[in-house]
Parts: sequence; C-alpha cells; structure tokens
Amino acid sequence: EAQVTQNPRYLITVTGKKLTVTCSQNMNHEYMSWYRQDPGLGLRQIYYSMNVEVTDKGDVPEGYKVSRKEKRNFPLILESPSPNQTSLYFCASSLFGGAYEQYFGPGTRLTVT
Amino acid sequence: GQQLNQSPQSMFIQEGEDVSMNCTSSSIFNTWLWYKQDPGEGPVLLIALYKAGELTSNGRLTAQFGITRKDSFLNISASIPSDVGIYFCAGQLSNNNDMRFGAGTRLTVKP
Repeated sequence: EAQVTQNPRYLITVTGKKLTVTCSQNMNHEYMSWYRQDPGLGLRQIYYSMNVEVTDKGDVPEGYKVSRKEKRNFPLILESPSPNQTSLYFCASSLFGGAYEQYFGPGTRLTVT
Repeated sequence: GQQLNQSPQSMFIQEGEDVSMNCTSSSIFNTWLWYKQDPGEGPVLLIALYKAGELTSNGRLTAQFGITRKDSFLNISASIPSDVGIYFCAGQLSNNNDMRFGAGTRLTVKP
C-alpha cells in the first residue's frame, strides 16, 4: 500500500532534549516536506527536499533540522526543543514538487514541556 | 512569509445547501490546490489548478484559479454530512518551490 509513515505518532518531551521524528514513503517520490499545524494558522512549511541531499527552508525553519540521505526517508530533528514547538507535525511527499499532489502522513503530535 | 487569507473561518450549513470558500493573497501563485482534512488525519488533495482562469470540477466540487493568480475559490454543491471537515487552500509561490497554506475553513453540515 502506497503510504507515508511517521513515527512516533505522539511524543511528550522536555525542553532541550533532542528528538527526531522519522518520515518514510514507499512511492519513490522525489519531493518530501515537513509542516506544522497550529490552531488558526493552518499548515506552515518547515523544510522541503526536492531530492536526495537537496533540502531548502520553508516558511518556519527556525529550530528545526532535516536530512535527506535516502530518497524514502526525511527525518525532522529538533536539537533543543522548546515549548513553542508544541504542535501537530505532518510529513508529506509528492512525485515532483509541492505543486503536485502531496500525500500526507498521519501526523505526529508533539508536546514540549 | 507570504500567507494566504482564507475565508470564511467556519461555516454551519444545512444538508443540501451549497458552500463557497475562497483564498486570496497579495502574492502571485503558480499553482492552487484545495485539500480536505478529516479529524485525526492528514490533508487529502481534492482539486489542483495549474493555469490562471482554470475551472476544474471533481464531483460536487468546483474550484477556480483566479485570473490574477492571486486568488482561488472552492464551491461544494448539495452538501452532505460527510463533507464535514477542514478545507485548506494551498499555493506554490511563483518564485520558488515552497508551499503556503491558508488557515482553513471548518465546515459543519447539519443533517
């Protein structure tokens, strides 16, 4: 089944404790992206990747890192999480770019205390 | 960053009514997309628009790419209870590859 998977689905952590949210797709998509969703703000793009070893900042990249060493994986790294990064995070992928149909993962709800 | 202004924020309608929502921006977009998000899930694409002036339908849904490339609307005809959810517009800016999303329209349909 074609899908985007994220892990973990739920995470509660403390300020400053490094964490990684994994994202994997099995559709051989070139484009992958991370979003955060906050009430009243919709989805805001954090980082995106057009292909392996190619990553670019989105709208709200501060406090986040990403890497794209393999086509299928696009982990989101929070080196030193802070409470304002409490949010619902979505990974997405598409065949060529954001303008094409993006398939979204199920979301990761992160709480930073 | 450039944001999309989506309205209305929420709508409460009776089953069978038509619905209209729109997105506007001060920036020019190459592509407009409309997504629907059900509770506890990620957004799912409804309609994609790639040319200014384009009018596209998907069943009871119709969307248009504004001629100025700064706006788009989505219409839902004869609403049904399963139309309930949050609808998002999204656009790809003309000068790069990143995406912008509207804040969403929360639709409630009363049977």
